[in-house]
Amino acid sequence: EGQLVESGGALVQPGGSLRLSCTASGFSFSSSLMDWVRQAPGKGLEWVANIKEDGTEKHYVGSVEGRFTISRDNARRSLYLQMDSLRAEDTAVYYCTRSNYRGFDPWGQGTLVTV
Amino acid sequence: AIQLTQSPSSLSASVGDRVTFTCRSSRDISTLLAWYQQEPGKPPKLLIYDASSLQSGVPSRFSGSGSGTDFTLTISSLQPQDFATYYCQQSYDYPLTFGGGTKVEIK
Repeated sequence: EGQLVESGGALVQPGGSLRLSCTASGFSFSSSLMDWVRQAPGKGLEWVANIKEDGTEKHYVGSVEGRFTISRDNARRSLYLQMDSLRAEDTAVYYCTRSNYRGFDPWGQGTLVTV
Repeated sequence: AIQLTQSPSSLSASVGDRVTFTCRSSRDISTLLAWYQQEPGKPPKLLIYDASSLQSGVPSRFSGSGSGTDFTLTISSLQPQDFATYYCQQSYDYPLTFGGGTKVEIK
């Protein structure tokens, strides 16, 4: 089934930086495409970024390209999201999730970023 | 980016009702569509992938259909725990996108 636990969310000033972390257990992390999805307060879901199993390929939504960087450490079973030049519109709960190229499962409980 | 439009945005229904909601894509995405259920304060839960494949552990009252640009999610007999918001999501092209959601409320 698997479990994902996010951390690193905080209150940050516009223009500031933050690094989110996600630790995986219960599944083969190194064989999994991993994604970040966010949800602004009271709003719908927005896909943010993903990273291929070996870290060689990354994709971003246009609104974060050049400001956010996704990375992973397979030895530590960890996924990261470095967020720079943060804006008010980046305020959201950020979820870490695994993709099988068909859907996202499982999901972490989320970590709140307030800008 | 591929846009997914869900309708209705909300609906009121009673326990035992059969409910159907739709997701329309701005272009052909084959069957690369998933459906999620999200209860307030919780992360989303994968219900359906590949438009019609039931995720392991999901009750059989949930079913999905469609291909190309038009998709539906059906709950055959609404249960109390089904009152939630439902989202569709496409995996056909980047950026991956979600629909705006359909909120199912108690009548």
